[in-house]
Amino acid sequence: GEDVEQSLFLSVREGDSSVINCTYTDSSSTYLYWYKQEPGAGLQLLTYIFSNMDMKQDQRLTVLLNKKDKHLSLRIADTQTGDSAIYFCAENDGTPLVFGKGTRLSVIA
Amino acid sequence: DTAVSQTPKYLVTQMGNDKSIKCEQNLGHDTMYWYKQDSKKFLKIMFSYNNKELIINETVPNRFSPKSPDKAHLNLHINSLELGDSAVYFCASSQDRVFTEAFFGQGTRLTVV
Repeated sequence: GEDVEQSLFLSVREGDSSVINCTYTDSSSTYLYWYKQEPGAGLQLLTYIFSNMDMKQDQRLTVLLNKKDKHLSLRIADTQTGDSAIYFCAENDGTPLVFGKGTRLSVIA
Repeated sequence: DTAVSQTPKYLVTQMGNDKSIKCEQNLGHDTMYWYKQDSKKFLKIMFSYNNKELIINETVPNRFSPKSPDKAHLNLHINSLELGDSAVYFCASSQDRVFTEAFFGQGTRLTVV
């Protein structure tokens, strides 16, 4: 079945760049997403990328997609303490989202 | 002007009770979902409704019964609550079944004691 894998923890210093990685197995994925979950809150869609794109940039966020390796990454430039959260990678091919287990990003001041 | 709203936000109840969680979306979306997030933060789809019809029903105990009185509402009723049902339940909606953006509610933290 479909599977989405992420590393569980990432710790970075304030001002550095964060890179959160994700791999997925479903080659028919049409959209891939990054969601952010802050403590005690719901999921917020950060960005998404269509499967025929390699890169998408949105302010401090850069999404890179390597479709051949089924690898998705989220780069956060100039990471701030407010970026501390759990980041979920998700994919869909026309069915409800399949989520990774989330990467907990800790930003050290 | 909340897009997807769930009530209640917190729910503490005893084993064996029956409880409901309500969800409403004001986005005009056709499809709504229930997700369960366990203590390890794993998110799993439970149900999906499209235009009030059930389209996804994952392996969920039949003590869980979704009800969609109209397109804008998808409620989750749980009978005979068990300790293992403790989790955060998220409602979400999207324009259609092949969605580019799913909007999530704030979640309902259910604690069964």
